[in-house]
Amino acid sequence: QKEVEQNSGPLSVPEGAIASLNCTYSDRGSQSFFWYRQYSGKSPELIMSIYSNGDKEDGRFTAQLNKASQYVSLLIRDSQPSDSATYLCAVRRGSNYKLTFGKGTLLTVNP
Amino acid sequence: DGGITQSPKYLFRKEGQNVTLSCEQNLNHDAMYWYRQDPGQGLRLIYYSQIVNDFQKGDIAEGYSVSREKKESFPLTVTSAQKNPTAFYLCASMTGGITEAFFGQGTRLTVV
Repeated sequence: QKEVEQNSGPLSVPEGAIASLNCTYSDRGSQSFFWYRQYSGKSPELIMSIYSNGDKEDGRFTAQLNKASQYVSLLIRDSQPSDSATYLCAVRRGSNYKLTFGKGTLLTVNP
Repeated sequence: DGGITQSPKYLFRKEGQNVTLSCEQNLNHDAMYWYRQDPGQGLRLIYYSQIVNDFQKGDIAEGYSVSREKKESFPLTVTSAQKNPTAFYLCASMTGGITEAFFGQGTRLTVV
């Protein structure tokens, strides 16, 4: 089982819709969870971080964490064409600095 | 301005040659990382370092070497033992505690 798994996509949604991105992880000791956005040819940039169970909202973005199910998700409301990018899920174990990424999900928002 | 600087942005290497990618940060971060990204793929961890003079292998360390002699510097050497080195290489750093990693702009290495 891979440490961090994401829907491979690609995911295509119309402008204004909600995009839902999912990620599962295998290490129950994981304590820090991150969503990064990466445009083609660029380096990743942080979108959201979440550390405790529940929802965390920041503007159009909501991260959801369920440690019992080892599942973290990212919802993008009112999707815009500028949201078209690859979204990377990353997980870190609290006692260790190792930061592991999933393969990413390519999101396309169609005007 | 604080940040992470990778150089060069583009690098060409002949087969059989070693090449070193530079990564410098002035954020006073404890941990530094090297990742490799291939087209359409996520980030795969090569090496990471939590403190000076200490580093750990990641998932794909074969054919690579690193050093951490200074807190702000974490160079990556791609050796001739790496059979398929053409990729996008990303350096990142993170401070201690619960916080996120910040990335440099990346180095695109091509074997010619």
